[in-house]
Formats: sequence, C-alpha cells, structure tokens
Amino acid sequence: AQSVTQLGSHVSVSEGALVLLRCNYSSSVPPYLFWYVQYPNQGLQLLLKYTSAATLVKGINGFEAEFKKSETSFHLTKPSAHMSDAAEYFCAVMELEKLTFGTGTRLTIIP
Amino acid sequence: GAVVSQHPSRVICKSGTSVKIECRSLDFQATTMFWYRQFPKKSLMLMATSNEGSKATYEQGVEKDKFLINHASLTLSTLTVTSAHPEDSSFYICSARTAFNYGYTFGSGTRLTVV
Repeated sequence: AQSVTQLGSHVSVSEGALVLLRCNYSSSVPPYLFWYVQYPNQGLQLLLKYTSAATLVKGINGFEAEFKKSETSFHLTKPSAHMSDAAEYFCAVMELEKLTFGTGTRLTIIP
Repeated sequence: GAVVSQHPSRVICKSGTSVKIECRSLDFQATTMFWYRQFPKKSLMLMATSNEGSKATYEQGVEKDKFLINHASLTLSTLTVTSAHPEDSSFYICSARTAFNYGYTFGSGTRLTVV
C-alpha cells in the first residue's frame, strides 16, 4: 500500500520567510500526490496535485511543490509566508481512488 | 467549481441516539463519495467509500452497523451514527470524487459531540 510521511508535526516561520513543509512517499508505482490545507473546523482545500505531468507543480496562494523521484519526496514550499497561511497542511497519496493522508503539519506564522 | 455541501456543521446529541450527516454535491454528480473521521490534532482516517446505488465499502475496523452509509442518488450521501456514544465524538468529513483530473472536493465537516 502506498503511504506518505510528513516530517515535522509543527513548523513555525516568520512572516515573509520561506515555508518548507516536507512530505515523503512510499510507492512501487508512480504516485499521484496531493497537498491540502485545513483551517480550524473546516474541510480540506486542495493546494496542488501531481499527476505524472510536470515535476514542479504550482498551486494556489503562491504554494508550489516539486516531485523528486530520486528522493521520493514532494515537499511544499512558499517563498514568503503570510499570516493567512497559518493552518494545518496534509500531504496525501491516491491509490485505487482512495486518498491516504499523512499525519499533518501545523504551520504557525510568527509576526 | 465543484462544491460539496455538508450538514450539519455542528451537532450535539445524547448518548444512545442516532445522528444523520448529509453530504451533497451541488453542481456535479458524484458516483463515489468518501467519509472520513478526524480525531483532534490527528489526520483523516478513511471510514468508508460510498457508491451510488450500491452498498458502501467499509475500511477495516469500522463498524458498518454503527456507521450506516446511504448513497441513494448521484448528489447525496448520508452517514448515520447509530446509538451514539461519547467515544463517537469527532469531526466527520465527506469528500466527493469529481469526474476529471483526479479531483476530490471536501465538505466543510461536521463536529459531532455526544454527551
């Protein structure tokens, strides 16, 4: 079964600083990978997804992620953090139409 | 874009009663919907896959008699928590698979508190 691992349950960055949220996947076949954001007491909003096209994927709100097969990684980045980016972020992998989520990373933005 | 409406957003019920949560796809037909449970500060756990017109497929360890899922139309799936107990208190989220480009749209979630 495919899985994803998110390193770091909590990440804090200063406003304006680089955001880097880590996700590594485990898959025997080319995976379909997703990043979602969740604000308190809300559902999940898709940030971006990788579906075997370009390895650098650009998403909403200035986020992007790069699929690196050699490192089995799909890290999420944003050049400059904004206060509104404070939320929970989930990496997910799709297998047989089902999404399997990582344990999540809570992003805190320091003013 | 694809929108999934989930109701209610919050519900408090007494122990032993049943609660129904609705998940509707507003502007598209969803042949497949998914139900997740999220514990505080935890990830989402897939409970079951709901297919229109057929029985839901439950994940291992999920009690199908406690969590009844009905997907009677292409736009509506319901999750009924039967004989609820305090340990069923959680955040429940539905998701619908859109027809193109590996899209999944999520509802806004339901906070269930059993007292």
